[in-house]
Amino acid sequence: QKEVEQNSGPLSVPEGAIASLNCTYSDRVSQSFFWYRQYSGKSPELIMSIYSNGDKEDGRFTAQLNKASQYVSLLIRDSQPSDSATYLCAVNIPRGSTLGRLYFGRGTQLTVWP
Amino acid sequence: GAGVSQSPRYKVAKRGQDVALRCDPISGHVSLFWYQQALGQGPEFLTYFQNEAQLDKSGLPSDRFFAERPEGSVSTLKIQRTQQEDSAVYLCASSLIVGANSEQYFGPGTRLTVT
Repeated sequence: QKEVEQNSGPLSVPEGAIASLNCTYSDRVSQSFFWYRQYSGKSPELIMSIYSNGDKEDGRFTAQLNKASQYVSLLIRDSQPSDSATYLCAVNIPRGSTLGRLYFGRGTQLTVWP
Repeated sequence: GAGVSQSPRYKVAKRGQDVALRCDPISGHVSLFWYQQALGQGPEFLTYFQNEAQLDKSGLPSDRFFAERPEGSVSTLKIQRTQQEDSAVYLCASSLIVGANSEQYFGPGTRLTVT
């Protein structure tokens, strides 16, 4: 079992809709959780981080964390065509001397159509 | 301010050649990570530096891969005797602090193609 799993997608939503991206992780000692956006041919860009249970909002983005269910999600409200990208879920699992090592899911490709 | 920079952005190497990939992290960032990203996959961890100390190299796929950060700033990832399976995007990320909550910022990556 991979450390981080994401729904395979692709996910397609109309402009203005809410896009919901989901991620599960396998290791209960995981401490911190990140969402990255990656446009085609570009590198990952950090958009959200979340460390405690509950919701965290930043503009049109809301990250949700449920450690009991080992589940983290990203909601994008009022989706725009410019949000079309691959969204990577990343989880920190502290092992050994590398406290900051991230484990990534395969990513969910999101398309927002006008 | 300036972000993480990497060079070259693209590298084509013939099988068997050695390559060196450079990463210049954000100024003052203590932690530096190298990741490898294959097409359609998420990044996979290669190695980690805290300042000049390489604390984890467990993700390096073979002894042909070598990384250094001698002065705690710029880092170089070297691949000896490149093979076709080394073709990937190599990403460098840096973070200001050490620890689980450190946010990592990625450079643009180096796309390596081995022919």
